[in-house]
Amino acid sequence: DTAVSQTPKYLVTQMGNDKSIKCEQNLGHDTMYWYKQDSKKFLKIMFSYNNKELIINETVPNRFSPKSPDKAHLNLHINSLELGDSAVYFCASSQESGLGSPLHFGNGTRLTVT
Amino acid sequence: TQLLEQSPQFLSIQEGENLTVYCNSSSVFSSLQWYRQEPGEGPVLLVTVVTGGEVKKLKRLTFQFGDARKDSSLHITAAQPGDTGLYLCAGAVSNYQLIWGAGTKLIIKP
Repeated sequence: DTAVSQTPKYLVTQMGNDKSIKCEQNLGHDTMYWYKQDSKKFLKIMFSYNNKELIINETVPNRFSPKSPDKAHLNLHINSLELGDSAVYFCASSQESGLGSPLHFGNGTRLTVT
Repeated sequence: TQLLEQSPQFLSIQEGENLTVYCNSSSVFSSLQWYRQEPGEGPVLLVTVVTGGEVKKLKRLTFQFGDARKDSSLHITAAQPGDTGLYLCAGAVSNYQLIWGAGTKLIIKP
């Protein structure tokens, strides 16, 4: 009965490869997010979707492409992986998109690019 | 650029001691959230403060929102090893985004 689940937990791959991370939430929330947490533990928002529509798209290389097939899923596809993409990626959801609605996070995907 | 500064960045204390973590900004927030993150897991919401001057308690944890809604503090009384973790504050701004602090890594030694 996990609320926000993302797979895989660990992802090790070589530079230049393409990979995807999947995320699903069973909370019935309208908004989903992708965050990147760097080695210094700083959380930075990448994307936000509300009811399958993109509402936040921060300055992220266009090698990163989110896809939301329905409001319970938000996947992240990364093309041509680079060393600097190594980080922990968190999926999150919230009931509403505005004014700091509390976030429910998944347990993260640790991506290592070699 | 909106910033949310957390201090200290790192704190290691003995079980039973008290501590305070601070979250400061020049921006006014409509609300502010505190999260705790344990290794290998995602952040988990502890509390949301909304009103200037608001104080919320969660067992031994006391959260305060500044009167001007620009800063917040988290005070832990009689810290226990189970309090160990990364504490993150996040302030909500009017364009429906959260501004995150860099976190305070707290270690409570038995």
